[in-house]
Amino acid sequence: DAKTTQPNSMESNEEEPVHLPCNHSTISGTDYIHWYRQLPSQGPEYVIHGLTSNVNNRMASLAIAEDRKSSTLILHRATLRDAAVYYCILISSGTYKYIFGTGTRLKVLA
Amino acid sequence: NAGVTQTPKFQVLKTGQSMTLQCAQDMNHNSMYWYRQDPGMGLRLIYYSASEGTTDKGEVPNGYNVSRLNKREFSLRLESAAPSQTSVYFCASSETSAKQGFAQYFGPGTRLTVT
Repeated sequence: DAKTTQPNSMESNEEEPVHLPCNHSTISGTDYIHWYRQLPSQGPEYVIHGLTSNVNNRMASLAIAEDRKSSTLILHRATLRDAAVYYCILISSGTYKYIFGTGTRLKVLA
Repeated sequence: NAGVTQTPKFQVLKTGQSMTLQCAQDMNHNSMYWYRQDPGMGLRLIYYSASEGTTDKGEVPNGYNVSRLNKREFSLRLESAAPSQTSVYFCASSETSAKQGFAQYFGPGTRLTVT
């Protein structure tokens, strides 16, 4: 299974953009990049996913490098409610296994 | 829609006792999953069910069994609980994983302590 590498923790000021990086140098051509987040004492929540092109939704944007070996989750205006652990996951073609790493703990400062 | 529900929310067991964690989803999803999360760690996949009638092992299946009772329900059984199984257990479902674009939806979790 392809692996991802994320920083253990990051901080951001409220109402500023946040860029959460993820390295996945062993990604294969059919691997999708998924992002989830986990708020304290809750189950994980889907954020966004993509394959090759950048993606936007109401929660965030996903920027994928041209060589696909890295990606960045962008929260356009961080709020206190965005404080969570963010997981970057690679999903291989035809697999049912979602392998979660330890993620990035985002702290948002008021 | 309730989404993914799990029972119980909390449970304390003695070593050697057995119990079943229940999970149900009302989204008509084909695939269901069981994860465990230990303090300070990410989620680890225990078992999954790609579709009704099938189950497969994940990363950490030892000490657990599962049953996909029907399309809605997927249960996790601990036959002889051990302190190493103290964890928070999450159930999840997705429309299908064969197409990677589908998100997983998670339940609120069951916090299990084995003494």
